[in-house]
Amino acid sequence: DQQVKQNSPSLSVQEGRISILNCDYTNSMFDYFLWYKKYPAEGPTFLISISSIKDKNEDGRFTVFLNKSAKHLSLHIVPSQPGDSAVYFCAASASNFGNEKLTFGTGTRLTIIP
Amino acid sequence: SQTIHQWPATLVQPVGSPLSLECTVEGTSNPNLYWYRQAAGRGLQLLFYSVGIGQISSEVPQNLSASRPQDRQFILSSKKLLLSDSGFYLCAWGGYVINTEAFFGQGTRLTVV
Repeated sequence: DQQVKQNSPSLSVQEGRISILNCDYTNSMFDYFLWYKKYPAEGPTFLISISSIKDKNEDGRFTVFLNKSAKHLSLHIVPSQPGDSAVYFCAASASNFGNEKLTFGTGTRLTIIP
Repeated sequence: SQTIHQWPATLVQPVGSPLSLECTVEGTSNPNLYWYRQAAGRGLQLLFYSVGIGQISSEVPQNLSASRPQDRQFILSSKKLLLSDSGFYLCAWGGYVINTEAFFGQGTRLTVV
């Protein structure tokens, strides 16, 4: 049972344009959401997170939006740069579980076209 | 600052052979430690997590086991590897504070042949 879903396995965006990566979740206990970026043969690196008490969090070119009623979050990257080409994982956790055990989506491969 | 070391980076093992992957964390004490596996088309799957020495929780039934002999050491093992054990294995650590990110090691690419 995939509790965190990224329905787009891949996405191609022109350099300078906006990249929008989507993520849906099913477990209403999730209250903390994260995005990780992963290059081939490397571990994921943390990008940005959002708590369920917020609906938006911004950090430089990266903005995460959370729609709790729809159980949907998205990551916006603007402007997109060639170095943004990577696999992006959405992750979620529930504070009621007592730790930050993360449930990951299947990932979206983002390719930025120069 | 905290760092996480994971080795080896790549490993090719025959079916039926044993496995031992090691992960150590520096610069923190009493971390929560995790083993994840990334298999093709399946994202990152949590295999084991540990909140302290000797404490291991298994998330999915499988051919693997984990141990935590020291506070900052986490080991992933198997007595006999299966072809289906091939994948990219990632160790991660997190603090005891909730709602915080986990930090990942560089990963081990395991190919069982």
